[in-house]
Amino acid sequence: GAGVSQSPRYKVAKRGQDVALRCDPISGHVSLFWYQQALGQGPEFLTYFQNEAQLDKSGLPSDRFFAERPEGSVSTLKIQRTQQEDSAVYLCASSLPPDRASDTGELFFGEGSRLTVL
Amino acid sequence: AQSVTQPDIHITVSEGASLELRCNYSYGATPYLFWYVQSPGQGLQLLLKYFSGDTLVQGIKGFEAEFKRSQSSFNLRKPSVHWSDAAEYFCAVLTGTASKLTFGTGTRLQVTL
Repeated sequence: GAGVSQSPRYKVAKRGQDVALRCDPISGHVSLFWYQQALGQGPEFLTYFQNEAQLDKSGLPSDRFFAERPEGSVSTLKIQRTQQEDSAVYLCASSLPPDRASDTGELFFGEGSRLTVL
Repeated sequence: AQSVTQPDIHITVSEGASLELRCNYSYGATPYLFWYVQSPGQGLQLLLKYFSGDTLVQGIKGFEAEFKRSQSSFNLRKPSVHWSDAAEYFCAVLTGTASKLTFGTGTRLQVTL
């Protein structure tokens, strides 16, 4: 597609359930990012992939959070045993290869997946 | 650590009035700075970015921002605000490598008619 696509747009989970959020980046974008945006806050970095390699996962808040991108395209963010504090909008973004200096930092964001944990 | 501060949580302006949204950064080297806009239910859209060179950068939708190293600021401006500009605005700085961004907490802009 033309933009970054995320699904589901909305997810309600009971505390303790596992959830999976999908991101389909812009075709040809090798870099993929996940951000978490709590209500009233700015996005916070979770993890970063370059192709299928997860190069930075320093922002994942706990070992309940897991992300993968097995074929270097679609990515899934999985949250196990969800807690109420996991309620947030999860944003996916993609960008061109980092060696394209003129495009460095221009992330293209999806509309996000809003997770509500009851 | 690199950080961005947006001191104004909420700003209200009248349509047609000028706008300035403040952003201060903390970064050791020359920063790469960005402004993004987020409309309700939408993803973030890049308004403009500063890497080097001319300190006054032009963006989309009539926005501009000025990088002032002496003040560690990168304020966003627009001469005449339109009702459709009502949204949340985020300043961000590139940290580390590979397009990793650190965002401010955002400024919500309300436009009155």
